[in-house]
Amino acid sequence: GAVVSQHPSRVICKSGTSVKIECRSLDFQATTMFWYRQFPKQSLMLMATSNEGSKATYEQGVEKDKFLINHASLTLSTLTVTSAHPEDSSFYICSALIRDRVSEQYFGPGTRLTVT
Amino acid sequence: LAKTTQPISMDSYEGQEVNITCSHNNIATNDYITWYQQFPSQGPRFIIQGYKTKVTNEVASLFIPADRKSSTLSLPRVSLSDTAVYYCLVGDRDTGFQKLVFGTGTRLLVSP
Repeated sequence: GAVVSQHPSRVICKSGTSVKIECRSLDFQATTMFWYRQFPKQSLMLMATSNEGSKATYEQGVEKDKFLINHASLTLSTLTVTSAHPEDSSFYICSALIRDRVSEQYFGPGTRLTVT
Repeated sequence: LAKTTQPISMDSYEGQEVNITCSHNNIATNDYITWYQQFPSQGPRFIIQGYKTKVTNEVASLFIPADRKSSTLSLPRVSLSDTAVYYCLVGDRDTGFQKLVFGTGTRLLVSP
């Protein structure tokens, strides 16, 4: 149980275009979902926290107009990288908290974004 | 949020026991300690979680001294597939470890 999926697993896009990444909790309802970014050989950095039906909370230094987060249901959160640039190339990982059982974050498999 | 400090890297051989220690001097009363494992190009995977003394599951043990300012993840008889980065995190479990702060992690390399 407690499986989190991400789609796509990898995506290549051209500079200036937008790309959407989906994060789904497959077998549970997620009260809260988190989005992280990880550059090569570096640790995970929290980008934002999203709660179903409300606006996401962004960490300092993360542009909310560039990284649009929508948490439309208790099982789906999306991250849209708008007007992507090569420096946005990274590994994006989401995680989720189980409703009524918040002792642990469950992580998705990650999405490798490459902007050319 | 309590900051954690771990060794950057460790080397071991197959069949050996590996102990990775994490320092968290500013741990709060409500904080739990959680360890995650991450393979390249994959999301972190939960290993073990504890509050005090010792916790053991099918893959690891977690030792936490009385002052809780450090913790040690023990991996018995490692194999090549245990080569990964191991992260120690502390946070308030009752709030779902909101705003997890990942430190550098420890890169474990297991050799034949």
